[in-house]
Amino acid sequence: DAMVIQNPRYQVTQFGKPVTLSCSQTLNHNVMYWYQQKSSQAPKLLFHYYDKDFNNEADTPDNFQSRRPNTSFCFLDIRSPGLGDAAMYLCATSTAGTGDEQYFGPGTRLTVT
Amino acid sequence: QKEVEQNSGPLSVPEGAIASLNCTYSDRVSQSFFWYRQYSGKSPELIMSIYSNGDKEDGRFTAQLNKASQYVSLLIRDSQPSDSATYLCATWGGYSSASKIIFGSGTRLSIRP
Repeated sequence: DAMVIQNPRYQVTQFGKPVTLSCSQTLNHNVMYWYQQKSSQAPKLLFHYYDKDFNNEADTPDNFQSRRPNTSFCFLDIRSPGLGDAAMYLCATSTAGTGDEQYFGPGTRLTVT
Repeated sequence: QKEVEQNSGPLSVPEGAIASLNCTYSDRVSQSFFWYRQYSGKSPELIMSIYSNGDKEDGRFTAQLNKASQYVSLLIRDSQPSDSATYLCATWGGYSSASKIIFGSGTRLSIRP
C-alpha cells in the first residue's frame, strides 16, 4: 500500500544533542511537510518542500532544519533540542499545491531529557 | 492572523445518535476545507474534504459548508464508540492568502455506549 513512513516512531534525546527524524513516502507526491504538534494543540507547520523548493515558515526557529535529497525522502534535523521541543513531529504529503489534501505519516514522538 | 476556531469539547454523544462538530474560520477567501480525525497519540487522518457550499456525504459522514457565514460542520450519523477521537477542522485560503492549510485545535468527541 502507498503510504507515508516515519522513523523512528519514538525518539529520546538529551538536551542539546542533535537529532534527525526521517520521513519517506511511496505516494510519489510533490509536496512534503513537517509539522510539530504538542498536546491538545493544532499541528504547527514548520516548513514544506514543493519538489526541491524549500519553504520555511517565518516563525520556525533556526534550530530546525530540513533536507529533501529526493522525491521520496525528507529529514528534519533539530540541531540543539531544548525541553520545549518535546512534541509529536508529523510528516505529511500532498499531490500538488499546499491546498491539496494532506496525508500524514504516523508521527515521531520526541522526548528531550 | 488567519484563524480556525473549534469548540475544544469534550462533546459527549450517545451511541447511535448524530454527532455535530462545528468550525468557523476568519479568512474570507478560504477555498478548501478539510476534516481530520485524530485518535489519542496518533496522527491526523483525512476523512472529508469540501470545496463548495452545501453538503457532501460520504458514508456516515456529512460535511456542510456555508462560505457566507464562514462556517463548516461535520455530522456523524449512527455514532459508534470507534468515532471517539479529536476532530480537526482545516482550511486553505488560496495562493494569494497564507498559502498553507490552517488547522483548528480540534474538538474532542466522546461516544458513550
